[in-house]
Amino acid sequence: GENVEQHPSTLSVQEGDSAVIKCTYSDSASNYFPWYKQELGKRPQLIIDIRSNVGEKKDQRIAVTLNKTAKHFSLHITETQPEDSAVYFCAASPPPEDSGNTPLVFGKGTRLSVIA
Amino acid sequence: ETGVTQTPRHLVMGMTNKKSLKCEQHLGHNAMYWYKQSAKKPLELMFVYSLEERVENNSVPSRFSPECPNSSHLFLHLHTLQPEDSALYLCASSHDISYEQYFGPGTRLTVT
Repeated sequence: GENVEQHPSTLSVQEGDSAVIKCTYSDSASNYFPWYKQELGKRPQLIIDIRSNVGEKKDQRIAVTLNKTAKHFSLHITETQPEDSAVYFCAASPPPEDSGNTPLVFGKGTRLSVIA
Repeated sequence: ETGVTQTPRHLVMGMTNKKSLKCEQHLGHNAMYWYKQSAKKPLELMFVYSLEERVENNSVPSRFSPECPNSSHLFLHLHTLQPEDSALYLCASSHDISYEQYFGPGTRLTVT
């Protein structure tokens, strides 16, 4: 089955700097890669996702890149702000028609701290 | 943020008690999930239901018993829990398995 590794487990950056979180996956059939943000005391929420037919997707200060050959994808946050401080989870999933009963597989999370 | 709701939000129970957690989704989704979130295992998948059928049980102790009476409701029945079961229990739903999941606010469980 799918296995997702996420690095680093913790990350501290100065406000205004960029932050990068990386994930690798094992199942080459996976084609959907969402990222979730979980603020302290709140639920995980989807912030951006990418499908394997594109290599990069951007939404304001956040972007995700995908390298299918190397089986890794990354979250990039530019001009970080204190409100970006949270735990970020990556996930991977095979296509619905191939997945059978396989749900999203999550990484172990990265705790990002943005220091003002 | 009312697509997936969970009750209660906080629960304190003794090891001999029986309690139930409830999850309800208003999104018309077909799949529902229970996760345990603790410091040691950030997002530990417990159970998956698709169209009210259980499709995954990740070696969860029998003191946790899920129930899915319809596609909108999911329960987690608890009995004779251990202190190490104290955690945040998150419910989620998705259109179908492998699609993006929407999480509820969680139930903070403390076992004394």
